[in-house]
Amino acid sequence: GENVEQHPSTLSVQEGDSAVIKCTYSDSASNYFPWYKQELGKRPQLIIDIRSNVGEKKDQRIAVTLNKTAKHFSLHITETQPEDSAVYFCAAIQFGNEKLTFGTGTRLTIIP
Amino acid sequence: NAGVTQTPKFRVLKTGQSMTLLCAQDMNHEYMYWYRQDPGMGLRLIHYSVGEGTTAKGEVPDGYNVSRLKKQNFLLGLESAAPSQTSVYFCASSPVGAGRNTEAFFGQGTRLTVV
Repeated sequence: GENVEQHPSTLSVQEGDSAVIKCTYSDSASNYFPWYKQELGKRPQLIIDIRSNVGEKKDQRIAVTLNKTAKHFSLHITETQPEDSAVYFCAAIQFGNEKLTFGTGTRLTIIP
Repeated sequence: NAGVTQTPKFRVLKTGQSMTLLCAQDMNHEYMYWYRQDPGMGLRLIHYSVGEGTTAKGEVPDGYNVSRLKKQNFLLGLESAAPSQTSVYFCASSPVGAGRNTEAFFGQGTRLTVV
């Protein structure tokens, strides 16, 4: 099965700076890569996703990049704000796979 | 539209007791999932269901059972609770399987403590 590793486990950045979270996956057949955000005490929610036929996708201050050759993808948050403080989870999924399994998560703290 | 609702929100159990967690969704989703969340270990899949009447094991199924008798409900049972099952449990649903590039919608979580 797919094995997703996520780094770092914790990340602190100054407000206004950029944050990058990286995930690596093992199954070259994986072709869908979502990112979920979980604020403290809240439920996880999808914030952005990317498919394997796309190298980069942006949505305002967040972006995701995918390197299929190296089998890694990253979440980039620019101009960080206090509300970006949360735990972020990545996933790598093969088309037709029924299961949704996640990386171990990254706790991002934005320092005012 | 309530989305995904979990019952109860909090529960304290004694070792050896049993209980059932209920997950209900009103979005007519085919797929439903149960996860546990522990510090530093992310969201681990316990069991999942691809439709009414079907269930399958996830990454950490031992000590848990599930049932999906109705499409809108997915029940997670603990037959004999152990302290190692102290965790926050999340239910999620999606219209199709994860591999079809679909969003999963999560419930608000159930905090379970086994003493």
